[in-house]
Amino acid sequence: NAGVTQTPKFQVLKTGQSMTLQCAQDMNHEYMSWYRQDPGMGLRLIHYSVGAGITDQGEVPNGYNVSRSTTEDFPLRLLSAAPSQTSVYFCASSYRAVPGTGDEQYFGPGTRLTVT
Amino acid sequence: AQSVTQLDSQVPVFEEAPVELRCNYSSSVSVYLFWYVQYPNQGLQLLLKYLSGSTLVKGINGFEAEFNKSQTSFHLRKPSVHISDTAEYFCAVSEKAAGNKLTFGGGTRVLVKP
Repeated sequence: NAGVTQTPKFQVLKTGQSMTLQCAQDMNHEYMSWYRQDPGMGLRLIHYSVGAGITDQGEVPNGYNVSRSTTEDFPLRLLSAAPSQTSVYFCASSYRAVPGTGDEQYFGPGTRLTVT
Repeated sequence: AQSVTQLDSQVPVFEEAPVELRCNYSSSVSVYLFWYVQYPNQGLQLLLKYLSGSTLVKGINGFEAEFNKSQTSFHLRKPSVHISDTAEYFCAVSEKAAGNKLTFGGGTRVLVKP
């Protein structure tokens, strides 16, 4: 298994540009999520999905869209990039989405995004 | 809403010395507790987790953590560190009734010196 894969590894955008960060997992996991990591703030949840066709907002959703048309893929779209979105983005997945399982999350290698 | 506080942002430690990383959380409901490690330029991987039962949890690479409900703490320890333990460590919680959404602490950077 490749686990959780993310592309690209690095990206530089100009303010106002849009782009899509790709995330895929080959473990048949129900739950997928996107986090951003900023120095001293840990990771913060942007959006998550409990299955194909179902998404919801996390702690910091503004400026980002997601969709989940398949179990495997969970792309994150930046609609109009801003310097405040400069960050490292991580995709994660876990086996079951139902509450009460405590399943661990498996993280991808991250995408480092700079917005100038 | 829950929150997680990691009291030390950086911890320098000599090789073969013990280390303790402190984590306190606040939540009005029952939670699961996790410690993740992030090596330089990599994603996060699970060290250990507490779901229920024994309050002392053993994880990978010789790490262990103790859940203290009265103090709402989940401190991570290792009796003897190696150079390869240099990394950033994150404490995280999720509400038992709210699925897999994780709330992370700010992270503790451990630098192991020879």
